[in-house]
Amino acid sequence: GQQLNQSPQSMFIQEGEDVSMNCTSSSIFNTWLWYKQDPGEGPVLLIALYKAGELTSNGRLTAQFGITRKDSFLNISASIPSDVGIYFCAGPDGSSNTGKLIFGQGTTLQVKP
Amino acid sequence: KAGVTQTPRYLIKTRGQQVTLSCSPISGHRSVSWYQQTPGQGLQFLFEYFSETQRNKGNFPGRFSGRQFSNSRSEMNVSTLELGDSALYLCASSLNGGNQPQHFGDGTRLSIL
Repeated sequence: GQQLNQSPQSMFIQEGEDVSMNCTSSSIFNTWLWYKQDPGEGPVLLIALYKAGELTSNGRLTAQFGITRKDSFLNISASIPSDVGIYFCAGPDGSSNTGKLIFGQGTTLQVKP
Repeated sequence: KAGVTQTPRYLIKTRGQQVTLSCSPISGHRSVSWYQQTPGQGLQFLFEYFSETQRNKGNFPGRFSGRQFSNSRSEMNVSTLELGDSALYLCASSLNGGNQPQHFGDGTRLSIL
């Protein structure tokens, strides 16, 4: 089945630094979603991408839908302590038009004040 | 606009028991998906319901079941609980499933003793 490979697995950065993480797949995705999960809470949708090449921003967050439709990246600029959490990429399962999302393994971000 | 509501937030059961978890989707959303989240396996799709019908099912044993009511609220049931069923169970809703982004509740933390 479809799989998403997310990297890096974890990052430990200084407050104020920029962060970049990406997600790749061997198969095509028609939509890319980026979520953030804080401890004890459910994932929160950050950005949704629907077209190859699309670049979308949400505040300090920027995400791009890769031209090949097999990858996506998420950038966070000028990180702050509340950026701490686990970031997931996800995409709908291409074998059905139902609400099944495939998730990456997640990138754990820690920010040192 | 109220988000996705899951009850209960925490549950402790013993092996062999059964459990029912509840999910109220965002108003107007007709698709409800369930996921199991564990440290080792990440986020894995359980099943999706739309208009009271199960449209898709993940690779979980038959002990895991669900249903959806006419008001789109959904429940999932796990029978004959095993230690390995300890996990965070997340519910997500979207308008119609497919490529639409899903919005998650905060989950039910199930612990099996």
